[in-house]
Amino acid sequence: DTEVTQTPKHLVMGMTNKKSLKCEQHMGHRAMYWYKQKAKKPPELMFVYSYEKLSINESVPSRFSPECPNSSLLNLHLHALQPEDSALYLCASSRTTGSGSYGYTFGSGTRLTVV
Amino acid sequence: AQSVTQPDIHITVSEGASLELRCNYSYGATPYLFWYVQSPGQGLQLLLKYFSGDTLVQGIKGFEAEFKRSQSSFNLRKPSVHWSDAAEYFCAVGPYGGATNKLIFGTGTLLAVQP
Repeated sequence: DTEVTQTPKHLVMGMTNKKSLKCEQHMGHRAMYWYKQKAKKPPELMFVYSYEKLSINESVPSRFSPECPNSSLLNLHLHALQPEDSALYLCASSRTTGSGSYGYTFGSGTRLTVV
Repeated sequence: AQSVTQPDIHITVSEGASLELRCNYSYGATPYLFWYVQSPGQGLQLLLKYFSGDTLVQGIKGFEAEFKRSQSSFNLRKPSVHWSDAAEYFCAVGPYGGATNKLIFGTGTLLAVQP
């Protein structure tokens, strides 16, 4: 299995809702990432997990809360989002955080719309 | 600080014509370099990567890229473009090792293919 699976593919939520994005990989990768991508822009790093521990938080607002329950799963909990948070949210994984030589494997993303 | 520049925001080529997408990087040490492709609403797919050895790298879908240290460039090429190659292309650089490993993306080049 060489894929990163993200669910749901599309999500529409109100500003008072609580929702979660899910990411799963079974490649034995020990680093997982959340990226946010606005239209016609490159992906922007949000969080990095290494061996199930949060190693990088790129000053992301607290309305985004990541969670890594085990080495295969990465969640992003959403609460009280703003319309400007609407974007494509991408999950990625790599063997370790020192995996420049291997690159990242990306999921197909969750298209989030905040209304 | 490391950075990646893709000078061409948008390129249009005719089907069957050759293609070259430019990428310049700024990094103090030997970089790991990547090209990713993204179809509309999809995640990123790794086309090829360079981290050492032969400076001409072969990738998937008939793409290749050449690392030129003297020019700080890693341009992507394809001898004959197919209509299915229309997509956004991102060049990225990844530093080696450590918990602060990040993949830094260029701003992307949108490729359109004319029949």
